[in-house]
Amino acid sequence: GENVEQHPSTLSVQEGDSAVIKCTYSDSASNYFPWYKQELGKGPQLIIDIRSNVGEKKDQRIAVTLNKTAKHFSLHITETQPEDSAVYFCAASPPGGSYIPTFGRGTSLIVHP
Amino acid sequence: GAVVSQHPSRVICKSGTSVKIECRSLDFQATTMFWYRQFPKKSLMLMATSNEGSKATYEQGVEKDKFLINHASLTLSTLTVTSAHPEDSSFYICSAPRTGEDGYTFGSGTRLTVV
Repeated sequence: GENVEQHPSTLSVQEGDSAVIKCTYSDSASNYFPWYKQELGKGPQLIIDIRSNVGEKKDQRIAVTLNKTAKHFSLHITETQPEDSAVYFCAASPPGGSYIPTFGRGTSLIVHP
Repeated sequence: GAVVSQHPSRVICKSGTSVKIECRSLDFQATTMFWYRQFPKKSLMLMATSNEGSKATYEQGVEKDKFLINHASLTLSTLTVTSAHPEDSSFYICSAPRTGEDGYTFGSGTRLTVV
């Protein structure tokens, strides 16, 4: 089965700095890679995703890059703000109708004002 | 679009009682619903997959008789924690595949505390 490794487990930055979270996956058949943000006491929310036929995707301050050969993908947040503080999960999904993802273990991002 | 409403958000119950958690798809039909359990500072652990009109599929190690899942309609899936014990205390989250798009929509989660 798929195995997703996520690093770091905790990331502390100053407001305005950039933050990068990295994930690796094991199943070369995986072709969909979403990122979720989970605030305390709430369910995860999709913030950005990328498919395997794309190398990079950007949405305002958030970007995701994918290296299919190396089987790793990263989340980049620029100009971080205190409200970006949350736990971020990466996931990898195989092709198929159910798209059941395998989640990374999460990164707790703390943005200090 | 693709909103999943989960209730209750918090519940405290006594040991030995049962608790029902509901997840409703508000603006789409969810033929499949996934149920996760999350321990503090941990990732999401898939417990089971519910399919409308058929029996749920449970992940290895999840007790079917402890965690009863019903998906009787295209918009409602329920998880009942039966004879709850303190070790069942956790954060439970449902999710459904987004209609016409990749990925999932998650419910807001239920914090269960068994005392």
